[in-house]
Amino acid sequence: NAGVTQTPKFQVLKTGQSMTLQCAQDMNHEYMSWYRQDPGMGLRLIHYSVGAGITDQGEVPNGYNVSRSTTEDFPLRLLSAAPSQTSVYFCASSYGAGGSSSYNSPLHFGNGTRLTVT
Amino acid sequence: GDSVTQMEGPVTLSEEAFLTINCTYTATGYPSLFWYVQYPGEGLQLLLKATKADDKGSNKGFEATYRKETTSFHLEKGSVQVSDSAVYFCALTINTGGFKTIFGAGTRLFVKA
Repeated sequence: NAGVTQTPKFQVLKTGQSMTLQCAQDMNHEYMSWYRQDPGMGLRLIHYSVGAGITDQGEVPNGYNVSRSTTEDFPLRLLSAAPSQTSVYFCASSYGAGGSSSYNSPLHFGNGTRLTVT
Repeated sequence: GDSVTQMEGPVTLSEEAFLTINCTYTATGYPSLFWYVQYPGEGLQLLLKATKADDKGSNKGFEATYRKETTSFHLEKGSVQVSDSAVYFCALTINTGGFKTIFGAGTRLFVKA
């Protein structure tokens, strides 16, 4: 059981380049999300999705796009990379998408993508 | 807005010492509360959770009690081991205007042999 798989593990970009971070889960989870982790700031929510075709913004959405065409996949696109986007990015999923079972359900995390923008 | 505040680290303890990591929260509505642990080079994984007031979550010798009156969810362990060295995150999940999980800043724990 793979769980949540993120690729790549490491990436270096130049300012202005674009790229897509991939995330796939095999647990049939309705809810998927992207976080960035920065020292001393915990995890901050970028975007999330409660099901295929539905996405919404989190706390820090600027500079990022997402789409959810299937239940399994939730890619994160950086449109024009900036040094401020240097961070570790985590994809997470959980069972349910809004009922009481949802917010009692824990998040399942991938192992992260370490992105450096120079 | 909704937020989680946890004690700053790093926390350094000797093996078999008692551990407390404080966590308080602010939330509109009635959140579920979680502790996650992150080992080096890995994503976060659930350590324990509590979904209503006075619930106690426990796992691997760690425990935390959901205290609504003090809006707290402090993590405790009676005797830490070197293998407990990691970063610990307190988090809440709430379903008001969107289903969101909000994390504290994390507390790094070092346990010395």
